[in-house]
Amino acid sequence: QKEVEQDPGPLSVPEGAIVSLNCTYSNSAFQYFMWYRQYSRKGPELLMYTYSSGNKEDGRFTAQVDKSSKYISLFIRDSQPSDSATYLCAMRGAGGTSYGKLTFGQGTILTVHP
Amino acid sequence: DADVTQTPRNRITKTGKRIMLECSQTKGHDRMYWYRQDPGLGLRLIYYSFDVKDINKGEISDGYSVSRQAQAKFSLSLESAIPNQTALYFCATGDGGYTGELFFGEGSRLTVL
Repeated sequence: QKEVEQDPGPLSVPEGAIVSLNCTYSNSAFQYFMWYRQYSRKGPELLMYTYSSGNKEDGRFTAQVDKSSKYISLFIRDSQPSDSATYLCAMRGAGGTSYGKLTFGQGTILTVHP
Repeated sequence: DADVTQTPRNRITKTGKRIMLECSQTKGHDRMYWYRQDPGLGLRLIYYSFDVKDINKGEISDGYSVSRQAQAKFSLSLESAIPNQTALYFCATGDGGYTGELFFGEGSRLTVL
């Protein structure tokens, strides 16, 4: 069983829809949770970052972490065609030596059509 | 110019050949990483380096080696390439800050025939 599971999709939604992307994980040592966005032929770039359980909002994006259920989500409101990309969840444990040693989900391919 | 530059961007080679993927960065970060991306598997850590004298194996280091030539340069080598090393390879840097954010290059697509 993979440490981090993410539905690969693909997910296709109309412009303006609310998108929900999810990951589950099995390692209770994970403390830091991230969402990366990867456009075609580009490297991933950090979109959202959350420490431990709770919600974090940034514009149209909301990241949620439920450590008791080992479940994280990314919500995109009012989705735009420019949001079309692959979304990767990533997580790591605590401690300085864990920096950069991320465990990634498989990535979800999202297409937002006009 | 990109902050993290990878060369080559695309490479096709044959089984048994030696291949080197190079990475250079202008972000001034001490920490550098090599990840591999495969469809359905996400990104997996191959090697990482916290400074010039520090090299560490990641999750999938077998069949790979690395060299940290300078703070800004980190290369990945496949001594004898095999077809299941066909993948998209990413170099990344990090400053070790609170978020642990990584900054990725644009990737090197390697095909081993």
